[in-house]
Amino acid sequence: DSGVTQTPKHLITATGQRVTLRCSPRSGDLSVYWYQQSLDQGLQFLIQYYNGEERAKGNILERFSAQQFPDLHSELNLSSLELGDSALYFCASSVGPALYEQYFGPGTRLTVT
Amino acid sequence: AQTVTQSQPEMSVQEAETVTLSCTYDTSESDYYLFWYKQPPSRQMILVIRQEAYKQQNATENRFSVNFQKAAKSFSLKISDSQLGDAAMYFCAFQGAQKLVFGQGTRLTINP
Repeated sequence: DSGVTQTPKHLITATGQRVTLRCSPRSGDLSVYWYQQSLDQGLQFLIQYYNGEERAKGNILERFSAQQFPDLHSELNLSSLELGDSALYFCASSVGPALYEQYFGPGTRLTVT
Repeated sequence: AQTVTQSQPEMSVQEAETVTLSCTYDTSESDYYLFWYKQPPSRQMILVIRQEAYKQQNATENRFSVNFQKAAKSFSLKISDSQLGDAAMYFCAFQGAQKLVFGQGTRLTINP
């Protein structure tokens, strides 16, 4: 158990809908990262927050947004969902903003039908 | 931009034998970390081992060790005394100042 929690574990929704994925980092960690893993693919970095502020952006679509709250939990919002958004979404956390190992949550499996 | 390449999509090894997974990376940064993550069928990402670029000594964690060749930008993972529970996807990853970049993974099969 990495100490990073993600809810829900599974999510099934229809195209065009909007969903919110939630992540709680390990106690003491200030950075939260979001990744997308499509079937049998590597992990693609989406976005990073550090202590409430956006720090780095990767291949995140405009239909996706994220935020980190004062209690350091983070939410990833996915809107106007398409079939291709079906994937495993991971949250990870680390102590600092960079050059620290990241610990991953169990992931949220999103299925868009 | 940093890139990470794992040239072996699949590997297999007999139980109790040793196997080495390859990884190369490309970067212009001088300060960085390298990691190997394991992803078993449960899909959980598990940190196996890490190596700081400034350290010359290769990292070791029990049966897992790395061969870090900084000049060649190579970072291979050696698994000794392979066990059935080692069967998984293994991802090499580069952590620089901005983000963690993953390779495409190597699927490791353990033959009993």
